[in-house]
Amino acid sequence: DQQVKQNSPSLSVQEGRISILNCDYTNSMFDYFLWYKKYPAEGPTFLISISSIKDKNEDGRFTVFLNKSAKHLSLHIVPSQPGDSAVYFCAATALYGNKLVFGAGTILRVKS
Amino acid sequence: KAGVTQTPRYLIKTRGQQVTLSCSPISGHRSVSWYQQTPGQGLQFLFEYFSETQRNKGNFPGRFSGRQFSNSRSEMNVSTLELGDSALYLCASSPAPPETPDGYTFGSGTRLTVV
Repeated sequence: DQQVKQNSPSLSVQEGRISILNCDYTNSMFDYFLWYKKYPAEGPTFLISISSIKDKNEDGRFTVFLNKSAKHLSLHIVPSQPGDSAVYFCAATALYGNKLVFGAGTILRVKS
Repeated sequence: KAGVTQTPRYLIKTRGQQVTLSCSPISGHRSVSWYQQTPGQGLQFLFEYFSETQRNKGNFPGRFSGRQFSNSRSEMNVSTLELGDSALYLCASSPAPPETPDGYTFGSGTRLTVV
């Protein structure tokens, strides 16, 4: 039973345009959400997070939006750069829990 | 400061064998979690240790076990290896039971291939 789903296995975007990565979850107990970026042969690195008390969080080129009623979150990258090409994982947890539940990942390719 | 160190980086084992993977957390970090990454499955939680105690365990068979030492280093062991155990095994450390999960730092992983 996949509690966190990333339904797009891959996404291709032109440099300078917006990249939008989507994530859906089913468990109502989740109240904290994170995005990680992963390059081949490296571990995931933390990008940005959002608590369920917010609906938006920004950090530079990265913005995460949370729609609790739809159990949906999205990561916007503006403008996209070739160095953003990587696998992006969405993860969810209960804020004071001690495990992350990950989606299967979306491969982002930014073309120059 | 040094990051999370996982050894070995690559490992090839035969079905039926056992394997031990090692994780050295960031200095001062006391919590260590293990995840299995397979294609199309994302990262699946294996277990988490804090102060030498297992605090949480994922839905994996008993062939998967782990432990944490007094210096916070952790090992995970897989016995009676199966072909399906081939995966990237990732370790993440955090300062304590983290106030927020942003505090997790992942290592580069151990790529296990079972033949």
